[in-house]
Amino acid sequence: TQLLEQSPQFLSIQEGENLTVYCNSSSVFSSLQWYRQEPGEGPVLLVTVVTGGEVKKLKRLTFQFGDARKDSSLHITAAQPGDTGLYLCAGDLSGNQFYFGTGTSLTVIP
Amino acid sequence: EPEVTQTPSHQVTQMGQEVILRCVPISNHLYFYWYRQILGQKVEFLVSFYNNEISEKSEIFDDQFSVERPDGSNFTLKIRSTKLEDSAMYFCASSPRLGEKLFFGSGTQLSVL
Repeated sequence: TQLLEQSPQFLSIQEGENLTVYCNSSSVFSSLQWYRQEPGEGPVLLVTVVTGGEVKKLKRLTFQFGDARKDSSLHITAAQPGDTGLYLCAGDLSGNQFYFGTGTSLTVIP
Repeated sequence: EPEVTQTPSHQVTQMGQEVILRCVPISNHLYFYWYRQILGQKVEFLVSFYNNEISEKSEIFDDQFSVERPDGSNFTLKIRSTKLEDSAMYFCASSPRLGEKLFFGSGTQLSVL
């Protein structure tokens, strides 16, 4: 069983379109992080959300933490080819161990 | 900008051999982690390390694995007798404080033949 399920697993869209990626769990997390990973590289942190219901914006990316701190979403507005990559959510249960989600592979076609 | 460095970037070994993966975390960080990612699969937690001892480990981190911080800068992962299924990208990460941002290295691609 996966602690954190991400959907969709794969997403291919045209440049300029909007998209939403979901990260769901039955567990409550003290914080949740979103990372982006390029091929052959380590994950790079995009944002950390801590408070239930919290919304954070990073340019065209909007991150939301669910009220119950069990789920999160990442919304990208007007996607660009540079947004292509693997998006990973990671939940912190104890501070010592971040559980990574299954990942969403995004391809933005010019 | 400070970064986590890992060596080697690629390691090929024969099944049953021992390998040591090396990491230099960011200098003022206190928490250290090893993760692995099998090709096409998710990033999996292996172990966390703080104050010169293991804080938590996953069920993947069995007796064939060990970690060490032999000096003030290096953080190593040793796999004693490698198996085919150990083939993966191994990422080291460090963090300045508990539960904060993880800074990942670029990984070591381990191939067990």
